[in-house]
This record gives sequence, C-alpha cells and structure tokens, in this order.
Amino acid sequence: DSGVTQTPKHLITATGQRVTLRCSPRSGDLSVYWYQQSLDQGLQFLIQYYNGEERAKGNILERFSAQQFPDLHSELNLSSLELGDSALYFCASSFLTGTAGNTIYFGEGSWLTVV
Amino acid sequence: LAKTTQPISMDSYEGQEVNITCSHNNIATNDYITWYQQFPSQGPRFIIQGYKTKVTNEVASLFIPADRKSSTLSLPRVSLSDTAVYYCLVGDINNDMRFGAGTRLTVKP
Repeated sequence: DSGVTQTPKHLITATGQRVTLRCSPRSGDLSVYWYQQSLDQGLQFLIQYYNGEERAKGNILERFSAQQFPDLHSELNLSSLELGDSALYFCASSFLTGTAGNTIYFGEGSWLTVV
Repeated sequence: LAKTTQPISMDSYEGQEVNITCSHNNIATNDYITWYQQFPSQGPRFIIQGYKTKVTNEVASLFIPADRKSSTLSLPRVSLSDTAVYYCLVGDINNDMRFGAGTRLTVKP
C-alpha cells in the first residue's frame, strides 16, 4: 500500500459525460501528479500540482482539468468524454524534499470506461 | 528531465540475474537516477534510487559509473513474478516526472 488513495476504482460512463476522479496523497506529501495509461500504452504525464499550485503541465487535453485543494487532495475532471478517453488514470504524490532525488508514489488507479 | 534510452524488451529465465541498462548522456549535476517497476493494471512502484557508484537494497542493485551517463539496474535471481515493465527516470526535484517507454522484462520458466 503506497498510501495514495484514488476513488473511484472503476467507472463506466457514456460519451459526452463528465466525471471527476479523486486522489488523496500520502500523508505529508505536497505534490500530486496525474497520469493516463491507455491499454498497453505508456504512462502519459498529464499535470502536477505542488501545495495547491500548478507546477507542470504535460499532455493534458483542454477537456480535462485538475486542481489541488487546501487539504492537498486533488481532483481530475474529465469532460465531453470520448471513447478514446477510456484508460487507467493514476495519481501519484511526493514530498519534494530539498536535497534528495524526487521519488513519487502511485495509487492503484481509477479505471475509466467510456461507452 | 534528462532523456533516457532503455531496451524496449528483455527476456530471461527464472533464477538468472537480469541487468537492464539505461543511457542518459545529458544527465545534470543535480539529477538522481530512479527506477520503477510496473505490473499490468497497477501503478508503478519505486524500486531503487541512486546518485553515483552503487546502491543496493533488498530487491535490486543500481550501478552508476563515474561519468553517470548510464546506469544499470540489476535484479538477482529473477522469478516469474518479476515479469513487468521497468522504467528509468533521471531528474531532480524540479522535474515533472515524465516516464519513457520502459523495458518490458519477461521471465520464463
């Protein structure tokens, strides 16, 4: 158990709909990352937040948005869903220490199926 | 984040030692080298991290030559359960943690 909690674990929704994925980072971790992994594909970095502020943005579609709240949990909002958005969405967290290399810890993922 | 190059796939047999090499020619002074393991439908799991020379933990060793332009993850006596994708990441706390394609290791009986 990495300590990163993601909900829901599974979600089935129709095209055009909107869903919200939730992530609670490890206790004490200030940074949250979101990744998308389609079937047999690599991990696509979407976005990173640090202590409530957006820190880095990757290949995140305009239909997707995210935020990190004051209690450090994060939500990834996916709207106008398309069949191609079906994937496993991972959240990861890290503390971002000042001296060591960055180590991130992943949750178990949220399976999204768009039908 | 320094660009990394790893073999796309590797095959091994149970009980053998497996060495996966990652090239990172443009590694920066502050960069660390971190390896992750991912099983199907699971989030990547941290294996080992190092800066220079050799690091060993209960599951793997990481060898880093003096020039730090490459690193080798060594898995001793692999078993079928070590079949997974292994990712090498190079960077420091200011990087956004983008994963490459990784190395798909298949351990055969």
